[in-house]
Amino acid sequence: QVQLVQSAAEVKKPGASVKVSCEASGFTFTNYYMHWVRQAPGQGLEWMTMLSPSRDGGGTTSARKFRHRVTLTSDTSTNTVYMELSSLTYEDTAVYFCAREVEGFDVWGQGTMVTVSS
Amino acid sequence: QAGLTQPPSVSKDLGQTATLTCTGDSNNVGYQGVAWLQQHQGHPPKLLSNRQNGRPSEISDRFSASRSGNSASLTITGLQTEDEADYYCSAWDNSLSVWVLGGGTKLTVL
Repeated sequence: QVQLVQSAAEVKKPGASVKVSCEASGFTFTNYYMHWVRQAPGQGLEWMTMLSPSRDGGGTTSARKFRHRVTLTSDTSTNTVYMELSSLTYEDTAVYFCAREVEGFDVWGQGTMVTVSS
Repeated sequence: QAGLTQPPSVSKDLGQTATLTCTGDSNNVGYQGVAWLQQHQGHPPKLLSNRQNGRPSEISDRFSASRSGNSASLTITGLQTEDEADYYCSAWDNSLSVWVLGGGTKLTVL
């Protein structure tokens, strides 16, 4: 069964970092573009960053506003992609989704709520 | 970074047809088309139509997508109560080298 399973909700203080995991099953993530999209409470979807497949070099591309704060890593042994966001502010409170791309975001994780609170 | 433009809300009666629009430019919508997503409250988005206007097998044929130039549309026929959701368009922007999303349209089925 093709699915993405994300890590549990997190509560972080301003200035801290958060690392969210996204474990793929039913497919190998290195063969696909893997994306992260977030959604603040009551707001729309916001694209953050993506990891290219191995055939395209396996690099990362990020939206300008996240370029200096987001880091993508991965573990091929567990078929897992990680997204770390640093220097958190209250505005980073959101649900973070990972998604697979095949001409569109065709498989989504269940989402991870990250709350930034002092 | 500029996103795609969608009307914030659309209301239609049960059984009617709704057409949702998405406007961009030649670097995104006009470049490789858009993919449409549906999101029900409290759930992850679901892909309705990809950039080739292809529909996943599990998606009803009541949903159809099209594109003309720098604008795209999603048509939903025979509206049902379960179609009430938020709909987003998304596209790769070849100039910015990022994915861009519309602000979403909230569809209300009366």
